[in-house]
Amino acid sequence: DAGVTQSPTHLIKTRGQQVTLRCSPKSGHDTVSWYQQALGQGPQFIFQYYEEEERQRGNFPDRFSGHQFPNYSSELNVNALLLGDSALYLCASSLTVTGNTIYFGEGSWLTVV
Amino acid sequence: KNEVEQSPQNLTAQEGEFITINCSYSVGISALHWLQQHPGGGIVSLFMLSSGKKKHGRLIATINIQEKHSSLHITASHPRDSAVYICAVISGGATNKLIFGTGTLLAVQP
Repeated sequence: DAGVTQSPTHLIKTRGQQVTLRCSPKSGHDTVSWYQQALGQGPQFIFQYYEEEERQRGNFPDRFSGHQFPNYSSELNVNALLLGDSALYLCASSLTVTGNTIYFGEGSWLTVV
Repeated sequence: KNEVEQSPQNLTAQEGEFITINCSYSVGISALHWLQQHPGGGIVSLFMLSSGKKKHGRLIATINIQEKHSSLHITASHPRDSAVYICAVISGGATNKLIFGTGTLLAVQP
């Protein structure tokens, strides 16, 4: 059983470009959360998707958007990239019932130049 | 002030030492996670606690809900334990949103 898989693992983009990151949750998990982790800091919550809807959102601008598909996989889109968007983007999956174990992907390293 | 505070921020130990990492939080929680992150970036969940104590191999995690405090202990530490250890809480409600501490960088020297 594959855990949480993310792609791509590393990518470099130029300021102003757009990026799409992808996440496949652990089998049977219906909830996907995205986190941004800047170098040397703890992860920050971006948003969470459940039943193809954004259920909760952290303090991130509208340039950050997402989507969840019927198979529970998810995408994170970032428009008009800034240098400060350079970070590790982590996807975590869980069952929607609070208190269940959360599984993390290996992350996608985004560098904006 | 962060809602989840960890101490120490950095910890260097000699192989075989007993290690304790502390986590305090200021919000109501439904569960607390201890996570391990290696330099490559991937995060592994070590424990999920809502009360009491859990043990897995050389790792022990405890939580005191009344005092809003948790500890992660590593017995007989080994260089392969070197990593960042992160405390993260689920702040209740209908979602599994995690609030993370800033992490403790542990280096175990042979």
